[in-house]
Amino acid sequence: DSGVTQTPKHLITATGQRVTLRCSPRSGDLSVYWYQQSLDQGLQFLIHYYNGEERAKGNILERFSAQQFPDLHSELNLSSLELGDSALYFCASSPRGGTGGYEQFFGPGTRLTVL
Amino acid sequence: AQSVTQLDSHVSVSEGTPVLLRCNYSSSYSPSLFWYVQHPNKGLQLLLKYTSAATLVKGINGFEAEFKKSETSFHLTKPSAHMSDAAEYFCVVSDQVGGSSASKIIFGSGTRLSIRP
Repeated sequence: DSGVTQTPKHLITATGQRVTLRCSPRSGDLSVYWYQQSLDQGLQFLIHYYNGEERAKGNILERFSAQQFPDLHSELNLSSLELGDSALYFCASSPRGGTGGYEQFFGPGTRLTVL
Repeated sequence: AQSVTQLDSHVSVSEGTPVLLRCNYSSSYSPSLFWYVQHPNKGLQLLLKYTSAATLVKGINGFEAEFKKSETSFHLTKPSAHMSDAAEYFCVVSDQVGGSSASKIIFGSGTRLSIRP
């Protein structure tokens, strides 16, 4: 158990809908990262937040957004969902702001299925 | 530009034989390199990391990796495979974005390791 929690575990929704994925980092970790894992694209870095502020953006679509709250939990919002958004979404946390040299602790993931 | 290439999508070895999972990278700066393992239906777990200290890095479960700058490689090895090693392995490169404190993270496409009894 990494100490990172993600809810829900599974989410099934329809095209065009909007969903919110939630992540609680390990106690004391200030950074939260979001990743998308799909069969065709592999594991893609989406976005990184540190202590409430956006730090780095990866391959995140404009239909997706994220935020980190004062209690350090984070939410990933996915809107106007398409079939291709079906994937496993991981959240990870680490103690510091940069990623260089710091281990990331991964949550168990949220499996999103768009029908 | 940053990139990471895992040279084999699937590796199959017999239990008790050595494991070699290959990873090549490119980076504009001094990178940090990681290997993560993902067991079926689980999140990723760090095996080991290189951050410009010793070039031979020892990780958990008997795995180790050697950073070779001249070859831009960071191959993962284990002397003797165990059935529990069957999983997906990801090589990851991370370095600074320009002059900022933010970092960019790139995952390799993964190598599925199968262990034959």
